[in-house]
Amino acid sequence: QVQLQESGPGLVKPSGTLSLTCAVSGGSISSDKWWSWVRQPPGKGLEWIGEIHHSGSTNYKLSLSGRVTISVDKSKNQFSLNLYSVTAADTAVYYCARAGWYSSSPVFDYWGQGTLVSVSS
Amino acid sequence: EIVLTQSPGTLSLSPGERATLSCRASQSVSSSYLAWYQQKPGQAPRLLIYGASSRATGIPDRFSGSGSGTDFTLTISRLEPEDFAVYYCQQYGSPPVYTFGQGTKLEIK
Repeated sequence: QVQLQESGPGLVKPSGTLSLTCAVSGGSISSDKWWSWVRQPPGKGLEWIGEIHHSGSTNYKLSLSGRVTISVDKSKNQFSLNLYSVTAADTAVYYCARAGWYSSSPVFDYWGQGTLVSVSS
Repeated sequence: EIVLTQSPGTLSLSPGERATLSCRASQSVSSSYLAWYQQKPGQAPRLLIYGASSRATGIPDRFSGSGSGTDFTLTISRLEPEDFAVYYCQQYGSPPVYTFGQGTKLEIK
């Protein structure tokens, strides 16, 4: 059973960098899957941020692409998110998730529990 | 970017009743690329339906999905107490991008 666990600071100052790591257990990050970050502002809906493959290939949401970097560390079986120049609008629960392909359907089949990151001075 | 609009925003029903949730896309979506998730308070979303109509592993058969093109539906045939939650539709498009609807809250009447 694949498990994902987010970790990182729960508070980031405005204009700073939000950095989170997702540790993967019960499976290899080098499997032929894509690994994503999804966020959810308090009381609001889900927003996909971007994804990475173990090869290092990435895809980002266009509106965030200038502020976000996702990287992978195969030796530690984990991947990371860096979001730069944050504002209060970036306050959200951040989830890491695995994208699996089910009969040609790409979906998020495993999720971390989520971690709340607040942007405040 | 394709926009997914879910309706209604809130649906108030009683256990045992039938729930019908709608997801409308701003452009045609491949049925293969439409999924539904359930989210309960304080929990991560859970995959319910993929490919518009296929149930994920372990999902009860009272959940069913249908639709094509721009109109998709999630139906819960007989509501159980544990079904009251928020439901999201999600599509995958090109360039690689995932988009979610804004969610439908299913609450106990």
